[in-house]
Amino acid sequence: NAGVTQTPKFQVLKTGQSMTLQCAQDMNHEYMSWYRQDPGMGLRLIHYSVGAGITDQGEVPNGYNVSRSTTEDFPLRLLSAAPSQTSVYFCASSYGAETSTDTQYFGPGTRLTVL
Amino acid sequence: DQQVKQNSPSLSVQEGRISILNCDYTNSMFDYFLWYKKYPAEGPTFLISISSIKDKNEDGRFTVFLNKSAKHLSLHIVPSQPGDSAVYFCAASAPNTNAGKSTFGDGTTLTVKP
Repeated sequence: NAGVTQTPKFQVLKTGQSMTLQCAQDMNHEYMSWYRQDPGMGLRLIHYSVGAGITDQGEVPNGYNVSRSTTEDFPLRLLSAAPSQTSVYFCASSYGAETSTDTQYFGPGTRLTVL
Repeated sequence: DQQVKQNSPSLSVQEGRISILNCDYTNSMFDYFLWYKKYPAEGPTFLISISSIKDKNEDGRFTVFLNKSAKHLSLHIVPSQPGDSAVYFCAASAPNTNAGKSTFGDGTTLTVKP
């Protein structure tokens, strides 16, 4: 049981390049989320998904796209990278119960630098 | 407007002493509160939680206290150990929302000195 996995661990991009951050979970969780963490700040929600085929925007969605074709995978796409997107990105999953008493399981993160 | 605030960016305590991490919130709709712990180069991991119907929840060395009238919660670690050195995030959820939509504070870096 690998939990939540993210690839790559590190990535350097040039401004304007595009890339996809991969996230997978093997816990059969319905709910998956993408967060970014900037220095000295908490986790800010980018996009989330309540199940395969369903996605929605979080607090800071601009510049990112997501899709959820399977329960296991939830990739995050940077359309045209900007230096402001330099951050650490975390993927998380949870059972998806319609209750606030649920906890999230986080991946190890992807550290992205945009030059 | 930041709905969950951790006003102390850092805290340093001696091994064996008590660590107290604080968290304030502004949204009175929040009914579930969680603490996550994060080591460098790792993702956050769930530590302990509390429902708004309780004022205390204990798990081993970790206790969370909730003061609803003050919209304040705190995490107590007794006794503190060097392995507790990490960033601690407070998070809050509202009713009928999944934990994936929790609101996080900015974190407090705890350093436990041997």
